[in-house]
Amino acid sequence: KAGVTQTPRYLIKTRGQQVTLSCSPISGHRSVSWYQQTPGQGLQFLFEYFSETQRNKGNFPGRFSGRQFSNSRSEMNVSTLELGDSALYLCASSLSGNMNTEAFFGQGTRLTVV
Amino acid sequence: GENVEQHPSTLSVQEGDSAVIKCTYSDSASNYFPWYKQELGKGPQLIIDIRSNVGEKKDQRIAVTLNKTAKHFSLHITETQPEDSAVYFCAARTSYDKVIFGPGTSLSVIP
Repeated sequence: KAGVTQTPRYLIKTRGQQVTLSCSPISGHRSVSWYQQTPGQGLQFLFEYFSETQRNKGNFPGRFSGRQFSNSRSEMNVSTLELGDSALYLCASSLSGNMNTEAFFGQGTRLTVV
Repeated sequence: GENVEQHPSTLSVQEGDSAVIKCTYSDSASNYFPWYKQELGKGPQLIIDIRSNVGEKKDQRIAVTLNKTAKHFSLHITETQPEDSAVYFCAARTSYDKVIFGPGTSLSVIP
């Protein structure tokens, strides 16, 4: 069974640009969550999607957005990139995302903003 | 807001010794507590989890305990090996159905 796949693995962007990251969950999983990981802030929750609907959102500015498609694949978008957006972006998939479901992470996308 | 604290931030043990990592959470409605291991350049890997109706769970050299009254949970690794060296994260799924992570513990196992 294939795991969670994130593309691309590495990305370098310039300040002010926008970026789109992709996540393909484990087959059969309908919930996808996104996290930002930085050395200073640790793992911070961005948002969670289930059946194409955003169910939860963390404390990030509106420049961070996402969506989920009917096949459960998800994308997140960051507009007007800032240097501080440099981070490892991780997505996790779970069967249903309810309070007792295991979540499995992808390898992440390393975004560097210059 | 929801918060998960984790201690220690770094831990160094001799191979064969035990390692213990402790976490506390703030949302009393949390009822699912996973632990993740993250190796350099990889995403976090789920290693064990515990649900609130269970006080302890064991999987080979790894065990997790949960004290719901005190809102504490701990990870115990026995007979540590060099390949156990990694960053370990505790987490709690909150009543708002999102997972809040602790800041991580960097474990070094010295051969």
